[in-house]
Amino acid sequence: GDSVTQMEGPVTLSEEAFLTINCTYTATGYPSLFWYVQYPGEGLQLLLKATKADDKGSNKGFEATYRKETTSFHLEKGSVQVSDSAVYFCALKGLNTGGFKTIFGAGTRLFVKA
Amino acid sequence: GAVVSQHPSRVICKSGTSVKIECRSLDFQATTMFWYRQFPKQSLMLMATSNEGSKATYEQGVEKDKFLINHASLTLSTLTVTSAHPEDSSFYICSANRDTQGNSPLHFGNGTRLTVT
Repeated sequence: GDSVTQMEGPVTLSEEAFLTINCTYTATGYPSLFWYVQYPGEGLQLLLKATKADDKGSNKGFEATYRKETTSFHLEKGSVQVSDSAVYFCALKGLNTGGFKTIFGAGTRLFVKA
Repeated sequence: GAVVSQHPSRVICKSGTSVKIECRSLDFQATTMFWYRQFPKQSLMLMATSNEGSKATYEQGVEKDKFLINHASLTLSTLTVTSAHPEDSSFYICSANRDTQGNSPLHFGNGTRLTVT
């Protein structure tokens, strides 16, 4: 079945450092790909998405490119801030038996130090 | 943006009792809602797909008689944990799609932390 694998955390960075969180997926067909973020004490919210190969999703300085050849959707940000400290989830949405389902990676916790 | 409201945010119950969790879509109609369970430091596990006006679709390994799902209207789905036990203690999150397109993202409630003593 479909699956998502993302790098284990926690990731600890200093403010203004470069961030990469790796994400690869396995899916039949052509899923849509998402990054969700969960700030402390809050629910998940969409960070960015890409719906087809070579699409780049971007939001709040974060970017990720849908790479079909490497089945990857790595999250990057050029200069992180303390306020970016959160748990980041890579996810795919594909058509499965019973309809569309969203499958999540394990989540990567990011700590940004001032 | 779309808002999904989940209630209660926290609940503590005694072993053997039942707990109901509500999930409402506040500004859109959701024919389908999803219930996830999140274990500490782990990912979200899809428990079931809640379908308005019909039976829920449960994922493999999820006991449908223990986790009762009712989707009585286009804006409300409920999850009832029946005869709760300490191992049911977890963080339960509901979500919904604003539309039925395959590329639309999920909108999440803020979750319910269930503690069974």
